[in-house]
Amino acid sequence: DTEVTQTPKHLVMGMTNKKSLKCEQHMGHRAMYWYKQKAKKPPELMFVYSYEKLSINESVPSRFSPECPNSSLLNLHLHALQPEDSALYLCASSQVPGATNYGYTFGSGTRLTVV
Amino acid sequence: GENVEQHPSTLSVQEGDSAVIKCTYSDSASNYFPWYKQELGKGPQLIIDIRSNVGEKKDQRIAVTLNKTAKHFSLHITETQPEDSAVYFCAAPSPLNQAGTALIFGKGTTLSVSS
Repeated sequence: DTEVTQTPKHLVMGMTNKKSLKCEQHMGHRAMYWYKQKAKKPPELMFVYSYEKLSINESVPSRFSPECPNSSLLNLHLHALQPEDSALYLCASSQVPGATNYGYTFGSGTRLTVV
Repeated sequence: GENVEQHPSTLSVQEGDSAVIKCTYSDSASNYFPWYKQELGKGPQLIIDIRSNVGEKKDQRIAVTLNKTAKHFSLHITETQPEDSAVYFCAAPSPLNQAGTALIFGKGTTLSVSS
């Protein structure tokens, strides 16, 4: 299995809702990432998990809450989002943390719309 | 941290022509440079990468060159085909804090190949 699987593919949520995005990989990768991508922009780093521990938080608002239950799963819990949070949320993984020698494998993303 | 600049932002070529996309980086310690292709509705896909101990790498119709002195690397696509039409991102590792590094992306190049 050489894929990163993200669910759901599309999500529409109200500003008072609570929802979760899920990401799964079975490649034995020990680093997992959440990126946010707005239309016609590059992916922007949100969070990095190294060996199931949060190692980098790029000053993301607390309405986004990541969780790494085990080495194969990564969740992003959403609460009280704003319309400007509408974007494509990408999960990625790499063989080891550090990003200096291994490329990332990206999922297809969750297209999030906040209404 | 690392800063990656990518040019051009859009590139239109005729089928069969060559396409070149260039990126510059700021951190002389960076040692790994991947290129990603993103098709509409999909996540970025790693297409080729290069490490700082080599100057060029080829994979069929695509190649990447690296000039460490000038701190730039380029993607070369020969004999372009309509299915090469996509957004291409270069990336480089950025030391974000003591916890490690993560990939930072250029702004992207939209390549259009017309038949």
